[in-house]
Amino acid sequence: QKEVEQDPGPLSVPEGAIVSLNCTYSNSAFQYFMWYRQYSRKGPELLMYTYSSGNKEDGRFTAQVDKSSKYISLFIRDSQPSDSATYLCAMGGTYGNNRLAFGKGNQVVVIP
Amino acid sequence: EPEVTQTPSHQVTQMGQEVILRCVPISNHLYFYWYRQILGQKVEFLVSFYNNEISEKSEIFDDQFSVERPDGSNFTLKIRSTKLEDSAMYFCASRGGGFDYTFGSGTRLTVV
Repeated sequence: QKEVEQDPGPLSVPEGAIVSLNCTYSNSAFQYFMWYRQYSRKGPELLMYTYSSGNKEDGRFTAQVDKSSKYISLFIRDSQPSDSATYLCAMGGTYGNNRLAFGKGNQVVVIP
Repeated sequence: EPEVTQTPSHQVTQMGQEVILRCVPISNHLYFYWYRQILGQKVEFLVSFYNNEISEKSEIFDDQFSVERPDGSNFTLKIRSTKLEDSAMYFCASRGGGFDYTFGSGTRLTVV
């Protein structure tokens, strides 16, 4: 089983819709969970992080972690065309210097 | 906002040549990393560096790779004898001590 799994299928939604993304993981030692946004040929940009089960909100973004199911989600409310990007989940905490394990990413297109 | 700076943005090199990828991490950060992303694949960890030494490396980071922090501000990745399969985006990242994991925009390495 892969350490972090993220169904890499592209996602197209109309402007204003809710975008729902998720990842599963196999390593129960992961301590913290992040979502990154990546534009084409650019570096990942940190959107949100959390280290406990439950929900965390930041504006239109909500990160959800369920450690018992080893499942994390990102929701984007009222999606905008500027949200069009690739979204990567990442997690860490198993290793001494906190290297991150990434999912493959979801390409999201928000259609005006 | 502080950022991680990488140069060059794109490097083309002949197979077998040495390349040095350069990074200027955020000035008060303590942990430094290199990751790579082969086109269409996951972001993969290469190496972490702390207190002037490698703290962890992945199986990708073989004897062809080395890292250095020569002057207290730059952080470099050297690939001694490039192979075609080294073609990828290489990302430098730095972290202070918490979740402030910041990536640079990357260097696109093309080996021909």
